[in-house]
This record gives sequence, structure tokens and C-alpha cells, in this order.
Amino acid sequence: DQQVKQNSPSLSVQEGRISILNCDYTNSMFDYFLWYKKYPAEGPTFLISISSIKDKNEDGRFTVFLNKSAKHLSLHIVPSQPGDSAVYFCAASEGNTGKLIFGQGTTLQVKP
Amino acid sequence: GAGVSQSPRYKVAKRGQDVALRCDPISGHVSLFWYQQALGQGPEFLTYFQNEAQLDKSGLPSDRFFAERPEGSVSTLKIQRTQQEDSAVYLCASSSSLGQEGGGYTFGSGTRLTVV
Repeated sequence: DQQVKQNSPSLSVQEGRISILNCDYTNSMFDYFLWYKKYPAEGPTFLISISSIKDKNEDGRFTVFLNKSAKHLSLHIVPSQPGDSAVYFCAASEGNTGKLIFGQGTTLQVKP
Repeated sequence: GAGVSQSPRYKVAKRGQDVALRCDPISGHVSLFWYQQALGQGPEFLTYFQNEAQLDKSGLPSDRFFAERPEGSVSTLKIQRTQQEDSAVYLCASSSSLGQEGGGYTFGSGTRLTVV
């Protein structure tokens, strides 16, 4: 029983367009949600996070939206660039346990 | 160093062999985590240290897995009598704090373990 799910294994978008990556969760006790980006042969790199008390957080080209009633969050990348091509992981944490629960990842390909 | 360093980068072990994976966290980071990432999956939590104290080891898959951080800095993940299902990338992450406020943890590049 996966508590964090990324149902789209892959996504392909054109350079300059918007990329939308989705994530669903089941545990209503999660209080922080994070997105990580991973290139091959490297560890995940933190991208952006959002507290459960907010519904939007923006950082440059990256915006995360949280819909608590639907237990759904999404990452928007605008405009998408070829360098954004990577695997994106959604993660959630509960309380101050420090433990992150990751989704399976979505591979984003941005075509020039 | 500037980042989290893990060694070796790659390890091939024969089934039944013991292995030790090393993690050098960012200097001064209190929190240290180990994750296991199987092919095509997201990282899965193994264990967590705050300084030298192992506060959570609920993710360790069996008693063949053992982690330590004796002086509150470098950590070692040891796997005894390796099995094929242990083949995965083992990721270490560190943080100056426990909470998620303001950002996530810094991950190392991982150790890819292949058991043959």
C-alpha cells in the first residue's frame, strides 16, 4: 500500500511549454510535501516544498499546488527547458519524524 | 566537503558476502538518513540518526542490515550475507535539522550494490 503515488511514469513536453507533474497521497497526517529532481547516477536534489497549511508555493519557474481535500499535489514548470529533463520524485513527511515517503517517480523529457 | 560523499560508488558482491557502505555527511549536519532505491522505484527509508543516536530503524528490511554512526559524523551501513534482492542503490542524506521547513535533505550520489 503506497502512501505516495505518482501514476504517470513518464511525461514529454516541448521546450517553452508547461510541464505538470502529479502526485497523490493517502495519509492525511502528512504535513510537508517535497519535490526532488534526479539526474542519472546522481542523488536526488531538493527542488521545492510546501507545508500542508498552504495551497501554493512558488520559486522561479517552479510552482507546487496542494489540494488537501483531494489529497493531490502537482508541480508546474513554466517554461520548460531541456535541462529540466530528469526523474521527478514527490515525497511527503509526517510530523517531525524526518522520514520521507517517496513516490515512484515521473521521468520528464523536454524536447528542444 | 561541500556535499554528502558516499563510497564506494559501485559494489559487486557475491551472494552471501558481507558489505559495508560508507557515508560522509556534510560537516556539522546532525541528521543522517539511509534510503534504499530499487530499480524503477522511489527511495525507501531504511534508518535515521540524530548525531550518534539511531532514532528510527523501522525501515531496515531484515536483521542482516545494520547501521552505525559512532561519533555522530561518518555512518556505515552494513549488509551481512547479501542476497540478490539486496541489489539496489543505497542513498545517504544529511540535514542540519530534523524538520522539513524551508527545504529538504542533501543526498549523496549513492552506492549501487549488485549482488551476483
